[in-house]
Amino acid sequence: QVQLQESGPGLVKPSETLSLTCTVSGGSISSYYWSWIRQPPGKGLEWIGYIYYSGSTNYNPSLKSRVTISVDTSKNQFSLKLSSVTAADTAVYYCARCRRFLDMDVWGKGTTVTVSS
Amino acid sequence: DIQMTQSPSSLSASVGDRVTITCQASQDISNYLNWYQQKPGKAPKLLIYDASNLETGVPSRFSGSGSGTDFTFTISSLQPEDIATYYCQQYDNPLITFGQGTRLEIK
Repeated sequence: QVQLQESGPGLVKPSETLSLTCTVSGGSISSYYWSWIRQPPGKGLEWIGYIYYSGSTNYNPSLKSRVTISVDTSKNQFSLKLSSVTAADTAVYYCARCRRFLDMDVWGKGTTVTVSS
Repeated sequence: DIQMTQSPSSLSASVGDRVTITCQASQDISNYLNWYQQKPGKAPKLLIYDASNLETGVPSRFSGSGSGTDFTFTISSLQPEDIATYYCQQYDNPLITFGQGTRLEIK
């Protein structure tokens, strides 16, 4: 079955850019939307944005100025870049597959990113 | 932007109890409402999609209902393994919003 795996640095310095990749295995990245979600320690889920396999994107308005999501269909991967990070961006970052009406049926295990100098 | 109000924020119930969680949208979202279960240290798991459809493999004691602005998630008979935090999630093209979560504990 389809599995997702997040990868990237676990520690990022303030003002730098957070970069994560989600690798899709067991299925094709085509014909689905792919989303990033984060969860600060002890808090709820926050949607960051999603990308269609064709490359069209939509972002959370509260993060839009700092977020870029891209897709590489040849590698079956999609990626997240979040610029100008602060301690408030410390969180577990999840990638997820979204079906037609954006219900998220497959999730990665999550990766913890800490913003600290 | 559409706001989601999920209640209660926490809930304590006994094994076998019927448990209900509600989610209210600030505008009509038709049936674009999903429910997730998250256990500590784990990724969320989709339980109910499109307000009332049970995801494959999810026990039938979980159910969802509602449309428009008011939605309900129900566990018909609480089991010990249902201890988790539950989130609603809405889709208002093109944006997504999660509810604040309901932490469910065993009494």
